[in-house]
Amino acid sequence: GAGVSQSPRYKVAKRGQDVALRCDPISGHVSLFWYQQALGQGPEFLTYFQNEAQLDKSGLPSDRFFAERPEGSVSTLKIQRTQQEDSAVYLCASSHREATDTQYFGPGTRLTVL
Amino acid sequence: LAKTTQPISMDSYEGQEVNITCSHNNIATNDYITWYQQFPSQGPRFIIQGYKTKVTNEVASLFIPADRKSSTLSLPRVSLSDTAVYYCLVGDRGTGNQFYFGTGTSLTVIP
Repeated sequence: GAGVSQSPRYKVAKRGQDVALRCDPISGHVSLFWYQQALGQGPEFLTYFQNEAQLDKSGLPSDRFFAERPEGSVSTLKIQRTQQEDSAVYLCASSHREATDTQYFGPGTRLTVL
Repeated sequence: LAKTTQPISMDSYEGQEVNITCSHNNIATNDYITWYQQFPSQGPRFIIQGYKTKVTNEVASLFIPADRKSSTLSLPRVSLSDTAVYYCLVGDRGTGNQFYFGTGTSLTVIP
């Protein structure tokens, strides 16, 4: 079956613009994760959903970052008033069960803020 | 949340066995150890997971000593396509608390 997909793959934004990044998890996967990966660094956790419930958002760096998964499937990560330090690859992952084990990652969205 | 320490980089010749060790001194009783592989411009990919002793699958083995304060990922007979970054994660499977990737180990396989 299809893996995790993310769109757009690349996004260029001017500083101050709002952006929305989409994640389509593997069908039937209960858990969904967002990570931020800066160049040369490992992925850093942002937030975690179990179905439509956002169970952990401790990694969101500021109140400009907002994530939702209203129907327990597709998720959107929104960044308001983008700053240059937001430039990174944003990775989405999903896993099958409520108790997370294997995470399946999408290809990521590379965000560049000018 | 148990943090991990790995070597920043390693080099190996093709055909050799590669062992990457990860330290996790404050691992908790319920924590599992999971390894991921990441190629450039791709998301990480699951390799192997274990709790104690030894786990083996078609691509790797994972060795975990009795005190579980470290673990070693073993890649048999590496090829050029194994050049990637390898991450060790530690967390509680029950709560899904396996989110800390660290900086990983960049493995370069040399012809």
